[in-house]
Amino acid sequence: QSALTQPASVSGSPGQSITISCAGTSSDVGSYNYVSWFQQHPGKAPKLMIYDVSNRPSGVSNRFSGSKSGNTASLTISGLQAEDEADYYCGSKRSSTPYVFGTGTKVTVL
Amino acid sequence: EVRLVESGGGLVQPGGSLRLSCEASGFTFSGYWINWVRQTPGKGLEWVATINQRGSEKYYVDSVKGRFTISRDNARNSLSLQMNSLRAEDMAVYYCARGLSTTVGFDYWGQGTLVTVSS
Repeated sequence: QSALTQPASVSGSPGQSITISCAGTSSDVGSYNYVSWFQQHPGKAPKLMIYDVSNRPSGVSNRFSGSKSGNTASLTISGLQAEDEADYYCGSKRSSTPYVFGTGTKVTVL
Repeated sequence: EVRLVESGGGLVQPGGSLRLSCEASGFTFSGYWINWVRQTPGKGLEWVATINQRGSEKYYVDSVKGRFTISRDNARNSLSLQMNSLRAEDMAVYYCARGLSTTVGFDYWGQGTLVTVSS
């Protein structure tokens, strides 16, 4: 069961905006609006940042936004801050299995 | 405050067994799907298993089918993962994660427990 495809790393300067892509197929991202994004700092558990493609849980900064086009979902972080430096994972329901994660993206704040 | 606390990880030989537990508090445990998700050291996340509110529906990733069993005790607010015939590729940090109540995904995670498979 192959993972969703994310870039290995993305970087940006403080205050800039960055976008992380999550490429799937018509069996997962393309068929369901059940894409989530998770932030994980080193040694910590993942934290839900976005669910259902573009919804933010209570307490998550509005600097984080999600979208989807076809088989690819995206997470945009605007006004990049030092605390945003972390690993980010997308996830989606898949027709053949309840859930699949992305390969993960390391975000570096320059 | 929602809390999920895993335990039971440790060192086990290939072919051995281990039972992980997850103790929940701060929410109505019996009202949620609960999941096990694992993360290989330095690598990505992999969903492993899920169980519905009453324990009547269980699903597994293909690589653990027939070897792992997920179960829950709603009276004790606890989740378990019985892992048999362990392989080197099962070595990971195992998280329990609460399913979102109205949609697909995971909203709260425990701190994880490390399973090491080595001779």
